[in-house]
Order: sequence, then C-alpha cells, then structure tokens
Amino acid sequence: GQSLEQPSEVTAVEGAIVQINCTYQTSGFYGLSWYQQHDGGAPTFLSYNALDGLEETGRFSSFLSRSDSYGYLLLQELQMKDSASYFCAVRGGTGFQKLVFGTGTRLLVSP
Amino acid sequence: NAGVMQNPRHLVRRRGQEARLRCSPMKGHSHVYWYRQLPEEGLKFMVYLQKENIIDESGMPKERFSAEFPKEGPSILRIQQVVRGDSAAYFCASSMVEGGVYNEQFFGPGTRLTVL
Repeated sequence: GQSLEQPSEVTAVEGAIVQINCTYQTSGFYGLSWYQQHDGGAPTFLSYNALDGLEETGRFSSFLSRSDSYGYLLLQELQMKDSASYFCAVRGGTGFQKLVFGTGTRLLVSP
Repeated sequence: NAGVMQNPRHLVRRRGQEARLRCSPMKGHSHVYWYRQLPEEGLKFMVYLQKENIIDESGMPKERFSAEFPKEGPSILRIQQVVRGDSAAYFCASSMVEGGVYNEQFFGPGTRLTVL
C-alpha cells in the first residue's frame, strides 16, 4: 500500500518563502504530484516529479529525493491567495493511474 | 475547451434514498476517476473507469456504491440507501492515458452530498 505524511498546518506572511514537506511509503514509485485546493474548491494540479531534483514553475517549485522517499513544495513570494490546502500524492493501483493523497497541509498566509 | 463537468453541485438526500452523481470528462479524455473527500480530510480514491470498463474499484465500498462509464453519456456514481456517513464531497477527475505515460488528472468542481 501507500501512505504519505505532511504537516497539518503552516503559517507565513506575505512575501515570504515557505516549504511544505512530504514523506511517502509506497511499493513501486511512479512520481510525486502536488495539488492545491482552496476551501470549497476543486484540487488543481501544481507539479509532478518523476525524477530526483527540482522542478520550477513560476513562484512554485517542487523537489524530489527518491532515495529518501521525500519531496517538498516550495512557494516563493507568498500572496494572500496562496492560502489553501496543499496535497502531495503518489500513483498506485491497476495501471498506476490512481492518485493516493496525503492528508494535506493547510497554508495560512497573513498580511 | 470545457473542463470536467459535474452535476449536481449540491445534493441533499434523506437517509435511505438514492444519490446519483454525474461526471462528464474533458474533451478528448477517456479515463475517469472518482474520489471522496470527508470534511477536513484528504481525497480518497474510489474507482477508475474507461468507457464501458471498470479498471480499478479497490476504493469502492462493497455495498451500496456502484459506478459506470457508458459508451455514450457521462460517468455515473450511484449510492443506494444513503446514510449520514456518506455526506462528503465527491470529485471526478479525467485524464488521457497513452502508453502508460503519466498524464495529469483534471478535477471537476465536485458534488457536495448532504444526507439528512
């Protein structure tokens, strides 16, 4: 089976940088994904890492270390609109297409 | 290009009634996934379907829940004889799958089911 651990909550101020960590246990690894979800909204895809290293997409970056079963999401130049829940997810199941999500990290950005 | 469509957005049922949730995937996507999210929790996989075929239903409760994705029309998640514990947000996602290569899953807005 698969399991993922994330901190439950992180707080930061506008303009700051924040890192959200994710450790995972999985039999067979097919990449780590990150999703953002605002209250009452749908999850939206942020990034995907299949190989070790850093992927950068604008203000957001995601890192993966397969040997450590660890990844993180880095958010720079925080804005109020970044207040949301962030989920890491691994792939599993038949065809390795289903997503297994972590419990999520609630990010609160204050002025 | 319309995204994933789900309806209804909100559904209220009394205990013992049936709930039908509909999902139309993005244009060009032939793979559909259903996830359930309880309040203050993460998303839990329920079922993965292709047209006329259930690929993985390892997350579906054994009783009262069923899903289909017919050749024509939307995917349907059906919950019979609902109980209060079924109250949750149900999200549908769709993707392309080509040769086993990962493709991003796009999520619909969800259906929020409340069982009275």
